Formats: sequence, C-alpha cells, structure tokens
Amino acid sequence: DIQMTQSPSTLSASLGDTVTITCRASQSVSTWLAWYQLKPGRGPKLLMYKASRLESGVPSRFSGSGSGTEFTLTITSLVPEDFATYFCQQYSDYPLTFGPGTKVEI
Amino acid sequence: EVQLVESGGGLVQPGGSLRLSCAASGFTLSDYYMDWVRQAPGKGLEWVARSRNKANGQTTEHAASVKGRFTISRDDSKNSLFLQMNSLRTEDTAVYYCLRGDSSGYSDYWGQGTLVTVSS
Repeated sequence: DIQMTQSPSTLSASLGDTVTITCRASQSVSTWLAWYQLKPGRGPKLLMYKASRLESGVPSRFSGSGSGTEFTLTITSLVPEDFATYFCQQYSDYPLTFGPGTKVEI
Repeated sequence: EVQLVESGGGLVQPGGSLRLSCAASGFTLSDYYMDWVRQAPGKGLEWVARSRNKANGQTTEHAASVKGRFTISRDDSKNSLFLQMNSLRTEDTAVYYCLRGDSSGYSDYWGQGTLVTVSS
C-alpha cells in the first residue's frame, strides 16, 4: 500500500497569513493526488485534484503543486473559513490512501 | 445540487450485519464511480470500497480489511449506493462516508456520514 504522510500535523496561523502543508507518498503517485478540507459536522470538500488543478468554486487563494512523492498545498491570505483540517489522498493505486491530516488553527 | 445522504448506521453486535445506503441526487449515478470511505474514532480516513460507473462495467474493488465481509453495490435506477457489511468486528466501528468519484479516481463530493458502532 502507498503510505501518505503530512506535515505539520498542526499549524497555528493568523488571519492574512500564507501557510503551506506538505504531503509525501511512500512511492510515486505521479500527479494523482487530491486535497480536501474537513470541517466539523460536514463531509470533506474537494479543493484540488491532479495535484495542482483547482476544483470549480474553490477560491484562488488555494494552490497545489508537486509530483511523484512530494506535494504541497498553499493557502494565501488566510480568512476565517480556512481554519479547518486538510488532508491529501492518492488515487494512483488501490487501495486509495489518505494522509493523516493537518489542522490549521488560529 | 449534488447531494449524498447516508443512512442505515447504528449499533450492532460483533458478528452481526448491517446494510448502509446512500441516496444520491442532483446527478445521474450511472455516470459516476462511487466509493465508501470510513473514519474510526481518533483515526484517519480509510478507503473501503469502490463501484465503477456503467461505462466501466460497474466493477468493484474492496479494501483488504473488508474483502469477503463487505460488498459494495448500486441500483442506478434508484440512484442509490449500498454497502452490505457482514461479520462485523469492533474495529469496523467508524463513520462511513459515501463519495462520488471521477473516473480518473478522485472524489468530488462526500456525504456527511453515518455512524456504525460494533459493540456487545
């Protein structure tokens, strides 16, 4: 199975900050990587797919990059609704696997 | 508007069975891959099963941890996805999410989840 790791596990930031979350795969997943946002009481929301493609309706302050085994999600100019948990998922191979999540807190 | 609403969760004894349902609306189920993903208390997300769309033969995949015990199925005419769970174990306790997937593999919509508790 492809193992996914994320760093940091928790990130403290302020409104207006730019933050970067890193996701690493135990083997190459090419660009078959998605990022999701999770808020309490809601199902996860797709932010990015194919590593760097922004899902329709997602603000442009979110961006993704990377290929192979290392990926980043960057959020510029944090706004209140961005404080949430973010996790990555590889869909290169079965079983599909997820990172453990990064909590972005105030 | 795309909506996925899970139902069928609850408390069940070890060794018991449960059938989860996911009612899909706002899109044509037969056009999409569908997945079940779960999250146990205090743990990360675990993919459980996938049902491919009609164009890809509606074939299925199951995680090794549930293979032989869980079965994903769909009824496209009723826009519904199912997860039949047999021989349940305490480690199957989790919130189960229904997901809509693109044929390339990622999921663009998630339901809010239904809680399954396996306990005596």
